[in-house]
Amino acid sequence: DIQLTQSPSFLSASVGDRVTITCRASQGISRYLVWYQQKPGRAPKLLIYGASTLQTGVPSRFSGSGSGTEFTLTISSLQPEDFATYHCQQLHSYPITFGQGTRLEIK
Amino acid sequence: EVQLLESGGGLVQPGGSLRLTCTASGFMFSSYAMSWVRQAPGQGLEWVSTMCNNGGCTYYADSVRGRFTISRDNSKNTLYVQMNSLRVEDTAIYYCATYFYDGGNRNFDYWGQGVLVTVSS
Repeated sequence: DIQLTQSPSFLSASVGDRVTITCRASQGISRYLVWYQQKPGRAPKLLIYGASTLQTGVPSRFSGSGSGTEFTLTISSLQPEDFATYHCQQLHSYPITFGQGTRLEIK
Repeated sequence: EVQLLESGGGLVQPGGSLRLTCTASGFMFSSYAMSWVRQAPGQGLEWVSTMCNNGGCTYYADSVRGRFTISRDNSKNTLYVQMNSLRVEDTAIYYCATYFYDGGNRNFDYWGQGVLVTVSS
């Protein structure tokens, strides 16, 4: 099974900050890496797929990069609505796996 | 507008069974693979199962294989998961999600609101 490890697990930041979350895969997954945002009590929302393609309607302050085993999600200037939990997911092969999540909180 | 509505959750004793239903609307259900994903209280997301658009292929997480069965009825735009031999550790919110699969573009693009399954004596 492909393990995904997100870092950090918890991040405290301020509005306007630039933040980066990393997702590392235990083996190469090409660019089959997806990022989701989840707010408390809500379903996950698709942000980025194919490691770097922004889903329609997602603000351009979100960006993704990487291939193989190391991927990053960057938010260029945090807005109040961005404080949430972020999950990475690999769709390279079954079993599909998720990272453990990164909780982003307001400092 | 794409809508996915899960139902069938509730409280069940260990060893019991439940069937969850996901009713879809607003898109061509028969063209999409569909998945179930769960989230235990305070925990991350765990993929449970996926079924191909025509029902011809199924995949399961090791944690549920042999106990859960995914199925679909494309004539009713509905996805199911039959959960048997439930364990306390199956307690979670269960989401259904569309699995968009187009060559290099793969993602779970739409999600339902989730349904809570609680396994407890």
